[in-house]
Order: sequence, then structure tokens, then C-alpha cells
Amino acid sequence: GENVEQHPSTLSVQEGDSAVIKCTYSDSASNYFPWYKQELGKGPQLIIDIRSNVGEKKDQRIAVTLNKTAKHFSLHITETQPEDSAVYFCAALKQGYSTLTFGKGTMLLVSP
Amino acid sequence: NAGVTQTPKFQVLKTGQSMTLQCAQDMNHNSMYWYRQDPGMGLRLIYYSASEGTTDKGEVPNGYNVSRLNKREFSLRLESAAPSQTSVYFCASSLDRSSYEQYFGPGTRLTVT
Repeated sequence: GENVEQHPSTLSVQEGDSAVIKCTYSDSASNYFPWYKQELGKGPQLIIDIRSNVGEKKDQRIAVTLNKTAKHFSLHITETQPEDSAVYFCAALKQGYSTLTFGKGTMLLVSP
Repeated sequence: NAGVTQTPKFQVLKTGQSMTLQCAQDMNHNSMYWYRQDPGMGLRLIYYSASEGTTDKGEVPNGYNVSRLNKREFSLRLESAAPSQTSVYFCASSLDRSSYEQYFGPGTRLTVT
């Protein structure tokens, strides 16, 4: 089955800095890669996703890049703010299946 | 739109007790999912229902049963709770199995003593 590795497990940055979280996947048939943000005491919320037919997608301060050859994808957050502090999860889904495989999460702490 | 709702929010059980976690969505979604979240383990799929009337096992189904009661509701049952089932449980839904985007509920924190 699919295996998703996520790094780092924790990330501390100063407000205004950029943050990058990286994930690798094992199954080359995977074609959908979402990123979820989970705030304390809440359920995960989809913040951005990318499909395998594009290499990059951007939404204001967040962007996701995908390298299909290397089987890795990354979340980039620019101009970080304290409210970006949360746990971020990457995931992968294989074409023809309906189930996501999640990474183990990255705790991002943005200090003022 | 409430989205995905879950009840209860918190529950404490003794080993061997049974309980049912309830989940409902009001987005007219066809597919629904149950995950558990443990520290350092991310989210792991327990069971899912691709459409009303169907259910399938996920990565960690042992000790659980599910019922897709109707299109809106998907329940998770623990027949004989064990301490290893202490976790936070999340229900999610998606439009259908090909739309991919999943929407999560607020979770149920379960402790088994």
C-alpha cells in the first residue's frame, strides 16, 4: 500500500519567516496530494491540494509543489503569522481509490 | 450548513463496555469515513463507506464495526472497548469517491480505562 513520510515533525519559526514542510510518497500511481491544517481541539481542515498533472499551486501565502519523478511534494508558507501555528498533515490518494494515506504531521509554531 | 457533526465530544469508558459514535453530514455527500488519531501516528482510516449501502475496511478495522444508516449518517461501534482504543476519532465526508476533497468533523475524544 501507499506510505507517506512527512518531515520535520516539529518546526519553529519567527513571525514573518517562511516555513517549508516536506512529504514523500511511495506509490507512483498516487495522483492527488492535499494538505490539512489542524488547530488545537479541532478537526483537520483542507488548506490546499494539488493533482499530479500540475507542478505547483499557490493560494495567497501558501503554495504546494510536486515532483512526480522524485515522488515528493512540499508545503510552503510565506510571511508566517502566529495564527499559522497548528499541526499540518500531508496526504496522498491513488487514482481509482477513495482513501487518503496521511503523513504523521508537523507541528508548526510561529513565535511573535 | 453545519457540515460534519459528531457526538459525543468526549467519552470515558471502562474496559469491556460498548458504545456507538455518531456522525452526520448535511452536505449531501455520498462517501463517509472514520479515522482515529493517536499522538505521533497521524490519521489512520478505520472504515469507510463509498456510498450508501456499502462499507469497507480501512487500515485499522479490528475491534470496530460501522453502519451506514442512510446517506447522512455513518456510525462507529466499539463492541468491547479496550485501552488500546483510547484515541481521538474523526468522521469525514466527501462528495463521492472521485471528488477526493474530504471534510472533517470536530472529533470525539475517547478514553478507555
